Amino acid sequence: SAVISQKPSRDICQRGTSLTIQCQVDSQVTMMFWYRQQPGQSLTLIATANQGSEATYESGFVIDKFPISRPNLTFSTLTVSNMSPEDSSIYLCSADGSRENTEAFFGQGTRLTVV
Amino acid sequence: QKEVEQNSGPLSVPEGAIASLNCTYSDRGSQSFFWYRQYSGKSPELIMSIYSNGDKEDGRFTAQLNKASQYVSLLIRDSQPSDSATYLCAVSLNGNAGNMLTFGGGTRLMVKP
Repeated sequence: SAVISQKPSRDICQRGTSLTIQCQVDSQVTMMFWYRQQPGQSLTLIATANQGSEATYESGFVIDKFPISRPNLTFSTLTVSNMSPEDSSIYLCSADGSRENTEAFFGQGTRLTVV
Repeated sequence: QKEVEQNSGPLSVPEGAIASLNCTYSDRGSQSFFWYRQYSGKSPELIMSIYSNGDKEDGRFTAQLNKASQYVSLLIRDSQPSDSATYLCAVSLNGNAGNMLTFGGGTRLMVKP
């Protein structure tokens, strides 16, 4: 299974600022995904990050608020822009293999608190 | 609208008993099914994956899939207090979408000593 390193593991940020979360995979993967887990809730997909193209966002999430980079097959970043307290969540990246039926594994998550 | 439904629980079972966790999904095109365990404050950890109808066993865990009924379950035998966690059912269309997962709300399992 892939090993996914995500950082920072947690941060406390002032409203109006931005935070960039990094996700590094120890092997080349075709797709990477960013999820949000609000307090007491399950995971919701934010976007799919493909290498060499713009990310594909799910309903309710926009590029201006959550810009994503995917410069190569092992790395991706998610930025939470112009933060408000409602953005306080755990943000998780996951990586997918290039073959069908490869399980998705998660990074350790970033616990974000906006004050 | 892709949906995955789980009973939120908590499901309480005594130590040594069998815990049965259930999940239904709405998209008949779903191909891949996963169970994740999530301890409080931690990221999800993959427990089981299943892709075809029937049972799949791994140690104390058995996943069951019935595509006709759009139903997937997880059985935990000889439940231990360390199994107490939230269990997330996740479903993927797979193929070109890769493992873009739709998660259920999770079932909180409590195993009492």
